[in-house]
Amino acid sequence: SQQGEEDPQALSIQEGENATMNCSYKTSINNLQWYRQNSGRGLVHLILIRSNEREKHSGRLRVTLDTSKKSSSLLITASRAADTASYFCATDEGHDMRFGAGTRLTVKP
Amino acid sequence: GAVVSQHPSWVICKSGTSVKIECRSLDFQATTMFWYRQFPKQSLMLMATSNEGSKATYEQGVEKDKFLINHASLTLSTLTVTSAHPEDSSFYICSAPGLAGFGEQFFGPGTRLTVL
Repeated sequence: SQQGEEDPQALSIQEGENATMNCSYKTSINNLQWYRQNSGRGLVHLILIRSNEREKHSGRLRVTLDTSKKSSSLLITASRAADTASYFCATDEGHDMRFGAGTRLTVKP
Repeated sequence: GAVVSQHPSWVICKSGTSVKIECRSLDFQATTMFWYRQFPKQSLMLMATSNEGSKATYEQGVEKDKFLINHASLTLSTLTVTSAHPEDSSFYICSAPGLAGFGEQFFGPGTRLTVL
């Protein structure tokens, strides 16, 4: 069963703008991860944030985690057309991983 | 980083036939691998956990007799869709955990199955 829920389901922005995606989950977690998936392809790991961390950066990516609200956000700054993809949050249940519904991001050149 | 491969990348088969999908960890050993399926524009749904040397653990609602999983070695897990039907058409993705304690998963590129 799914754990997280992303919003929005779809997001369309212009190149250069920032994109923010949110994820909510239901149970306690050890860590939360964000993945990217290009259409018809496998998943690429973007960033992992542990339950005792509140914010993490990686290049143009910024992830926040609020365990009290059971929510996380992914911010992509200065977006590029190549960022067009689906983005999923995933939470761990031991070695098991549950994915949210995903946000489809379209970045228009 | 660790690489997971899948073969084939796509397959078309007739209804009633069986299809085998391989998942390999190329440069690391994986005692556990996960199999997901993904319908168009939807998220990944965990089907089963493949365990090397023991039986797979299936998620609720997944028919173990239809989706046979064999984890024959520390680098290979196979998913066989038996007596495939059009409703089994989907994108199947496997993954393997990275280094213990990091929580990261490495995903294969996926296999697109189309059952006619």
